Amino acid sequence: DGGITQSPKYLFRKEGQNVTLSCEQNLNHDAMYWYRQDPGQGLRLIYYSQIVNDFQKGDIAEGYSVSREKKESFPLTVTSAQKNPTAFYLCASSITRRAHGQPQHFGDGTRLSIL
Amino acid sequence: GQQVMQIPQYQHVQEGEDFTTYCNSSTTLSNIQWYKQRPGGHPVFLIQLVKSGEVKKQKRLTFQFGEAKKNSSLHITATQTTDVGTYFCAGSGTTSGTYKYIFGTGTRLKVLA
Repeated sequence: DGGITQSPKYLFRKEGQNVTLSCEQNLNHDAMYWYRQDPGQGLRLIYYSQIVNDFQKGDIAEGYSVSREKKESFPLTVTSAQKNPTAFYLCASSITRRAHGQPQHFGDGTRLSIL
Repeated sequence: GQQVMQIPQYQHVQEGEDFTTYCNSSTTLSNIQWYKQRPGGHPVFLIQLVKSGEVKKQKRLTFQFGEAKKNSSLHITATQTTDVGTYFCAGSGTTSGTYKYIFGTGTRLKVLA
């Protein structure tokens, strides 16, 4: 079945540590996204990528980094510069067309906590 | 920058009552999407509205896009316990190359049996 796989489901970070969240899709989608969701809140865009080897900052990119070396993969690194990383992280993908937007398909998410 | 607000933040209804959530953008939108997130789950796409004044229905759900393309609403008729979850709108402000969406704050719906 086609879909988006995020791993791990739960992740714990120590102070001063960088951690990487995995996101893989086999939907053949060009666009991929990373969102952060805090308890009881909406989704805030961290980074997005429309095509391989290209990505753009979202609204809250500070303390995060991404890469897009393959179409199916868009890993997110939460660096030690992100002082409040505890949140639910969601990866999404969509097809890209010139006219209007396309639905985003989400993974099951990764819950990151500080030790 | 573009902001998308939703009201109410929470809504508790008795099963069988109707429910409406409203989405308001600070800028004119090209299109708007609606998502549902069940407790502990991930957002699932419901529908996309593109045209000014557009109304779309999915069984008991009615979606509306305002004439000025700055607001939208989702109405659920005769709620059921399966409707429980958080409903998000997501708006985009540009047409071509529209790959960035701003999500609303969400409305959390609880349905009391």
